[in-house]
Amino acid sequence: GQQVMQIPQYQHVQEGEDFTTYCNSSTTLSNIQWYKQRPGGHPVFLIQLVKSGEVKKQKRLTFQFGEAKKNSSLHITATQTTDVGTYFCAGPGGTSYGKLTFGQGTILTVHP
Amino acid sequence: DAGVIQSPRHEVTEMGQEVTLRCKPISGHDYLFWYRQTMMRGLELLIYFNNNVPIDDSGMPEDRFSAKMPNASFSTLKIQPSEPRDSAVYFCASSLYENTEAFFGQGTRLTVV
Repeated sequence: GQQVMQIPQYQHVQEGEDFTTYCNSSTTLSNIQWYKQRPGGHPVFLIQLVKSGEVKKQKRLTFQFGEAKKNSSLHITATQTTDVGTYFCAGPGGTSYGKLTFGQGTILTVHP
Repeated sequence: DAGVIQSPRHEVTEMGQEVTLRCKPISGHDYLFWYRQTMMRGLELLIYFNNNVPIDDSGMPEDRFSAKMPNASFSTLKIQPSEPRDSAVYFCASSLYENTEAFFGQGTRLTVV
């Protein structure tokens, strides 16, 4: 079935450095969602991208959807300790349109 | 709305015992998802429902796992008999429509000893 692959698996940064995680699919995605999970918490929705080439910003976070709608990225500018957590991309999986499958996630650690 | 409610928050059980996890989705949401999260396998979709009907259960690991949604406000995930490898955090999530924001519950941390 359709899968979304996410890299890197881990990222350690110093506070103030930038961070990027990437999500790739072998097939075209109708949309992609991004979630954040704090340590010990549950995934929380950040944003959804639908249009080819779409770029959305939330303060220091920038989300992009590729032109071919097969890849996406999340970029955080000037990380803060509050950014610590696991970032997931998620997309529709396989032939079941309502199915929501998650990438493996990128665990972000921010050193003060 | 109180959000997606899961119970229990923690469950410790002995191998071979039956375990039932419960979920109350957000009122009015058409979709309900059950996920399992482990370090090794990440966040796996086990099964999802649309309007109380199971749509895709291809992620259910084996016959020991079963899920039901008898009405729009309640779902259960049952493991019988449980095994140590079932130890994980199980999340329930709901969404209003297909491919819209999924709201997760706090999860149930299951430990099978």
